[in-house]
Amino acid sequence: GAVVSQHPSWVICKSGTSVKIECRSLDFQATTMFWYRQFPKQSLMLMATSNEGSKATYEQGVEKDKFLINHASLTLSTLTVTSAHPEDSSFYICSARDGQNSYEQYFGPGTRLTVT
Amino acid sequence: QKEVEQDPGPLSVPEGAIVSLNCTYSNSAFQYFMWYRQYSRKGPELLMYTYSSGNKEDGRFTAQVDKSSKYISLFIRDSQPSDSATYLCAMNGGFQKLVFGTGTRLLVSP
Repeated sequence: GAVVSQHPSWVICKSGTSVKIECRSLDFQATTMFWYRQFPKQSLMLMATSNEGSKATYEQGVEKDKFLINHASLTLSTLTVTSAHPEDSSFYICSARDGQNSYEQYFGPGTRLTVT
Repeated sequence: QKEVEQDPGPLSVPEGAIVSLNCTYSNSAFQYFMWYRQYSRKGPELLMYTYSSGNKEDGRFTAQVDKSSKYISLFIRDSQPSDSATYLCAMNGGFQKLVFGTGTRLLVSP
């Protein structure tokens, strides 16, 4: 149980284009999903927290107009990197919390984004 | 000072050794403590989850929390090459965001 999937697992795009990453909770309802960014050999950096049906809460320093997050259902959240630049190249990971009474977070496998 | 401190390693041990991984933290409000294992280019996998102080055992893994010292540990018995990964501690005070350590890279040699 508690499986989170991400799609795509790997994407290359050209500078200036937009890329959408999907995060799905497969066997539970996720009222809250989190988006992280991870650089090589570094820990996870929280970008934003999204609750189903409401606007995402972004961490300080994260551009909300650049990283668009939509949490339209209890099993799906999307992160869109708009007008991507090479410095946006990174490993993006989502996680989901199983319901309102659980403190555990389950992570997806991650999406590696390369902007050329 | 970071809220959570974790030695990045790498920690190299021979197969069969007992491994001790540790984190210290500064926020006394933290009550929920987790250990994640992350293989290269993969998402973190939840290994152990502990509330407040005490020990928790699951197979070869034991998690310890000492809130008085603000110190948590993960022990791995009979370590295997497949345990080679980065181990991340994480914690929070409840429904708040998780605060992660930097991760310790573990290498178990056959």
